[in-house]
Amino acid sequence: DGGITQSPKYLFRKEGQNVTLSCEQNLNHDAMYWYRQDPGQGLRLIYYSQIVNDFQKGDIAEGYSVSREKKESFPLTVTSAQKNPTAFYLCASRRVTGELFFGEGSRLTVL
Amino acid sequence: GIQVEQSPPDLILQEGANSTLRCNFSDSVNNLQWFHQNPWGQLINLFYIPSGTKQNGRLSATTVATERYSLLYISSSQTTDSGVYFCAVEGETSYDKVIFGPGTSLSVIP
Repeated sequence: DGGITQSPKYLFRKEGQNVTLSCEQNLNHDAMYWYRQDPGQGLRLIYYSQIVNDFQKGDIAEGYSVSREKKESFPLTVTSAQKNPTAFYLCASRRVTGELFFGEGSRLTVL
Repeated sequence: GIQVEQSPPDLILQEGANSTLRCNFSDSVNNLQWFHQNPWGQLINLFYIPSGTKQNGRLSATTVATERYSLLYISSSQTTDSGVYFCAVEGETSYDKVIFGPGTSLSVIP
């Protein structure tokens, strides 16, 4: 089935450790996105990529890094510089006509 | 950049009631989507509606792009409609940058 797969679903890490969240899509979409959601809040854009080997900062990029080496993959690294990394992270890809589709999310808890 | 507002922030309905959720945006948009986030956090596409009106069962949506707002109508609400409803827009001058409104939290009680 076509879709967006995020892994892991749940992740616990100690403070000061870098963490990489995986996002894979087999929808053949060019554009991919990472959002962060805090409890009771909306989605805030971290990074997005319109094409392989290119990506743009969103509204809250500080403390995060991404890569886009393959069309299907857009991993997000939460670095130790991110001051409040505990959150729900959502990955999406976008059809050329404009519709956004989401994965099931990854919940990161930093202890 | 473009600003997105949603109202009301919270809504409690009796099962069977109707409701209207609103999304206002501060600038022209290339596209607009409505999503429903269920209690498990999954985001479900409801409508892709940069302009005009669409209907899908008990739900319908209207976007008036020239007046910079969109409405989501829920008729004969059911408990399974509970969750948070978001609108998301791509500003006309922010190609591919999609941002979300703060959401409307809906609780439908039996």
